[in-house]
Amino acid sequence: NAGVTQTPKFQVLKTGQSMTLQCAQDMNHEYMSWYRQDPGMGLRLIHYSVGAGITDQGEVPNGYNVSRSTTEDFPLRLLSAAPSQTSVYFCASSLGQAANSPLHFGNGTRLTVT
Amino acid sequence: SQQGEEDPQALSIQEGENATMNCSYKTSINNLQWYRQNSGRGLVHLILIRSNEREKHSGRLRVTLDTSKKSSSLLITASRAADTASYFCATVPRAGNMLTFGGGTRLMVKP
Repeated sequence: NAGVTQTPKFQVLKTGQSMTLQCAQDMNHEYMSWYRQDPGMGLRLIHYSVGAGITDQGEVPNGYNVSRSTTEDFPLRLLSAAPSQTSVYFCASSLGQAANSPLHFGNGTRLTVT
Repeated sequence: SQQGEEDPQALSIQEGENATMNCSYKTSINNLQWYRQNSGRGLVHLILIRSNEREKHSGRLRVTLDTSKKSSSLLITASRAADTASYFCATVPRAGNMLTFGGGTRLMVKP
């Protein structure tokens, strides 16, 4: 099993550009989520999904879109990148709800917006 | 806003010593989880303790939970240089379903 795979590992964008961060898991997990990690702020939840076709907003959803067309994939879209979105982004999945199941994390995408 | 807050923010110890990290949270919870993050990597789950449990062990890790004080502690016994990492607590409020993380404790274990 590859677990949770995130691509790309690094990305540099100019302000206003768009891009999609990819996340795929091969563990048949229903729950998937996106977090951003900033120095001194810990991890903050952006969006999450409890199953294919279902998504919901987390703590900091503005500027990001998600979709969940399959169980395996949960891409995160930045429609118009801003310097405030410079961060490390982590995708995570779990078998059940985050309330009761450990999260499995990918290794992150380091995004810089200039 | 962060539900959990770790204390201390940074901890430096010698190999072989015990390391204790604390987590305080604000609202009633379903469970509390501890994660480890090595530099440049994703988080790795360590222990999940439910609100009706008081203590849990996993190898050299011991987690306690005091719901009356809304706090938890993670004890790493006989620390090793390989334990050098950041440690995060994460909680799900009883009335919610989002796992929120604290700011973490950076642990350095010197050989």
